[in-house]
Amino acid sequence: DTGVSQDPRHKITKRGQNVTFRCDPISEHNRLYWYRQTLGQGPEFLTYFQNEAQLEKSRLLSDRFSAERPKGSFSTLEIQRTEQGDSAMYLCASSGGRGTGGYNEQFFGPGTRLTVL
Amino acid sequence: AQKVTQAQTEISVVEKEDVTLDCVYETRDTTYYLFWYKQPPSGELVFLIRRNSFDEQNEISGRYSWNFQKSTSSFNFTITASQVVDSAVYFCALSEETSGSRLTFGEGTQLTVNP
Repeated sequence: DTGVSQDPRHKITKRGQNVTFRCDPISEHNRLYWYRQTLGQGPEFLTYFQNEAQLEKSRLLSDRFSAERPKGSFSTLEIQRTEQGDSAMYLCASSGGRGTGGYNEQFFGPGTRLTVL
Repeated sequence: AQKVTQAQTEISVVEKEDVTLDCVYETRDTTYYLFWYKQPPSGELVFLIRRNSFDEQNEISGRYSWNFQKSTSSFNFTITASQVVDSAVYFCALSEETSGSRLTFGEGTQLTVNP
């Protein structure tokens, strides 16, 4: 399978616990994005990387959230001290590096559904 | 600031009917990109189309067609002869040249095609 993969697909945790999600992009893509989607809403941008550099972070990304892409391949998204409001689907996407700007199609993974009890 | 509005929350049609999903966008950039994604019940977002702001040509792909009109800031999506498998949530999205690569999505339209 050459698509974007995410692990785990589902995560249930108790309030206050830390969680970490992993995303493996399409292998030749140098851009990787994280979005969050709550029920009945469209995805909301969280952050994105070009290779290992984190180029943009949304105001939605509080201090409890951190993302890394250490070798420019897979990425991790960690949420510390989870809150019930963090319950959502966390989506990862990747795109190729042809040129600049926003024209690249972003291909999405299946998402990680987080439930905070 | 960029914004995408999909005014139709839910649409229900009978198989073989044509259906149009509306999308209106707001942007201050002269260079921007518009997208449609499909999210079936399985949850994975599927890319359907990308248009850039300099190309107002309408596009047809099988039963799908897209109408881009800069004068009304709209990028509508029509499914001809709808099928049950078209049932999904459809999202319109916008990316601005000056805002990097991030996509701003609308709230989506739930399309249900009944047999």
